[in-house]
Amino acid sequence: ELKVEQNPLFLSMQEGKNYTIYCNYSTTSDRLYWYRQDPGKSLESLFVLLSNGAVKQEGRLMASLDTKARLSTLHITAAVHDLSATYFCAVPPYNNNDMRFGAGTRLTVKP
Amino acid sequence: GAGVSQTPSNKVTEKGKYVELRCDPISGHTALYWYRQSLGQGPEFLIYFQGTGAADDSGLPNDRFFAVRPEGSVSTLKIQRTERGDSAVYLCASSLYGTGVEETQYFGPGTRLLVL
Repeated sequence: ELKVEQNPLFLSMQEGKNYTIYCNYSTTSDRLYWYRQDPGKSLESLFVLLSNGAVKQEGRLMASLDTKARLSTLHITAAVHDLSATYFCAVPPYNNNDMRFGAGTRLTVKP
Repeated sequence: GAGVSQTPSNKVTEKGKYVELRCDPISGHTALYWYRQSLGQGPEFLIYFQGTGAADDSGLPNDRFFAVRPEGSVSTLKIQRTERGDSAVYLCASSLYGTGVEETQYFGPGTRLLVL
């Protein structure tokens, strides 16, 4: 059974600092997603990573995928308060569509 | 265009009652998904529709849960004999084809179900 683990689960950062969130998954998949969720809101799609070595960047967030290690990272550069949210990675089993989510990383960026 | 919508936004019911939760996907999306999210956790897959048929219902926890999508658009998640443990946010998502590697699932705002 596909399992997805994220760490850390809680992250408190100072504005302007850099940090990385990690997502490990247990079995082969052909893609990985990152979502953002604000309190009381639904999930907003950030990135879809499709192949080994894929890297995508949007603003202060950069995501990468290593399919051999079954590892994705979400790197935050020069954090700002607006990035405070919970970030989820999600992985569907290979050739399937039902996504398995990690437990989420609750990020708080403090001034 | 409009995103995924879900009604009601909140539902409070008593243990043992029957509830229906509705999802309107993005127009033209053939695939529809239901997830359940408990407090402090990631969403948990329940069921996936491709058109009118349930392509994968392996996530439904037991036979009290049932979902339909009779015309391939709106879907209803039905929960019989609700239990307190059913309390959660029920999320619906849709995607354009349901197949294809670069498919993104777009989520609705969710229905917060509280079983007293």
